[in-house]
Amino acid sequence: QVQQSGSELKKPGASVRVSCKASGYTFTTFAIHWVRQAPGQGLEWMGWIDTNTGRPTYAQGFTGRFVFSLDTSVSATYLQINTLQAEDTAIYYCAREYRWNYRQYFDYWGQGTLVTVSS
Amino acid sequence: QSVLTQPPSVSEAPRQRVTISCSGSRSNIGNHAVNWYQQLPGKAPKLLIYYDDLLPSGVSDRFSGSKSGTSASLAISGLQSEDEADYYCATWDDRVNGVIFGGGTKLTVL
Repeated sequence: QVQQSGSELKKPGASVRVSCKASGYTFTTFAIHWVRQAPGQGLEWMGWIDTNTGRPTYAQGFTGRFVFSLDTSVSATYLQINTLQAEDTAIYYCAREYRWNYRQYFDYWGQGTLVTVSS
Repeated sequence: QSVLTQPPSVSEAPRQRVTISCSGSRSNIGNHAVNWYQQLPGKAPKLLIYYDDLLPSGVSDRFSGSKSGTSASLAISGLQSEDEADYYCATWDDRVNGVIFGGGTKLTVL
C-alpha cells in the first residue's frame, strides 16, 4: 500500500529525498505521517502531510531542515532532509493514517528507508 | 525520554501470558485512543491493536489491549517464539498536537 525508496548514503551537508508511493486506494483520502528510528532506538514521530491540501505539519525538533511534500499525480509523498548531519542517520518510515471521529492510527507502513550520513 | 512510559523489556516462557504497560497523562491516553504496534527484528512496525482494544484483521486473538484512565496495557497469551519483538504504544497528545510513541518494550520469549 505504501512503498518507499531505497537506502541512501550521503555526506554531511548534502540533502536527501525519500519517497513514499501509495497504491490501492485514493491517495488524497488519507494523510501520510513520517516516523524516524535512529539506530537501536525507538520510534519518533516527525509530523504529517495532508494529502488533500498539501499542508505539512512538523513535530518539534523537525522544523527547518525537514520538508514534507507531495505529488498527487503519482500518489507520492516526499521527505527531504537538508544540510544532513551525522545524527540524521536513521531509518525513516512513512505510514498511512486512518482517522475517524477524532481517533487515529497508522494502518499501513512503508518498509523503511535507511539514510546513512557519513563522510 | 518518552511522554508515554513503557518497561524497556519483559520476558516470559513459551505458552505463558505477559502484559506490557503504557503510562501517560490526561493530555494523551486520558483523552485519546491508544494504539499498539509490533516491530519484528529488522522489519517495519505493524499495527497490532487500535482504538484501545480492537484487533485488525489478521492479528491473532492471543493479543489484547485495554485502557483505564491514563494507562493502557497490551496482553499476549500463549506466548510463542515468533512473538519476540519490540512493542510500542502510541496515541495523540493535545500538548504537542501530534502523535507520541512510548519508548518501546522488548519482549523476550525464554
